[in-house]
Amino acid sequence: AQSVTQPDIHITVSEGASLELRCNYSYGATPYLFWYVQSPGQGLQLLLKYFSGDTLVQGIKGFEAEFKRSQSSFNLRKPSVHWSDAAEYFCAVGAGGTSYGKLTFGQGTILTVHP
Amino acid sequence: DAGVTQSPTHLIKTRGQQVTLRCSPKSGHDTVSWYQQALGQGPQFIFQYYEEEERQRGNFPDRFSGHQFPNYSSELNVNALLLGDSALYLCASSPYIGDYGYTFGSGTRLTVV
Repeated sequence: AQSVTQPDIHITVSEGASLELRCNYSYGATPYLFWYVQSPGQGLQLLLKYFSGDTLVQGIKGFEAEFKRSQSSFNLRKPSVHWSDAAEYFCAVGAGGTSYGKLTFGQGTILTVHP
Repeated sequence: DAGVTQSPTHLIKTRGQQVTLRCSPKSGHDTVSWYQQALGQGPQFIFQYYEEEERQRGNFPDRFSGHQFPNYSSELNVNALLLGDSALYLCASSPYIGDYGYTFGSGTRLTVV
């Protein structure tokens, strides 16, 4: 069964600083990988996804993520954080085969942005 | 274009009662999935409906059941509520089964007292 670990429960950065959120996954085959963002009281919004091909994926709001198979990681990055980026971020892995379409999420990382 | 609509947004139930949550998928989407998000946790997959049938199910007891209607809308029913069922319940729709282009609703916050 697939699983996702987000080692950092809470990260605080200053506005304008760079950001990296860590994600490690466990899955037997080539994974489908996702990053979602959730603002308080809101549902999940997809930031970016990786299915295959180029391991550096560009998403919305200036985010990018890099798939590293050797490290089973899919870390999310942003070069310069804005106050509006404060939210909770979830990494997820999508199953293949008979479980295609099912998402398994990590526990999330809460991002606080200081002015 | 309306996205995924869930109702109600909040509700409070007593332990042992039954509850029904509702979801209208995004226009053009025919597959609906439900997720439970406990406080401080990531969402957990409950089940997925397509063509009015349950296609996949996560590790949830039979107290959790669902339904999909011909117009693709869906209901999540939970019987014999436990305090541990308190959570945000998220509905997600996708254009077809097996597609990962999910649109999530804002959720229903269920509190069991």
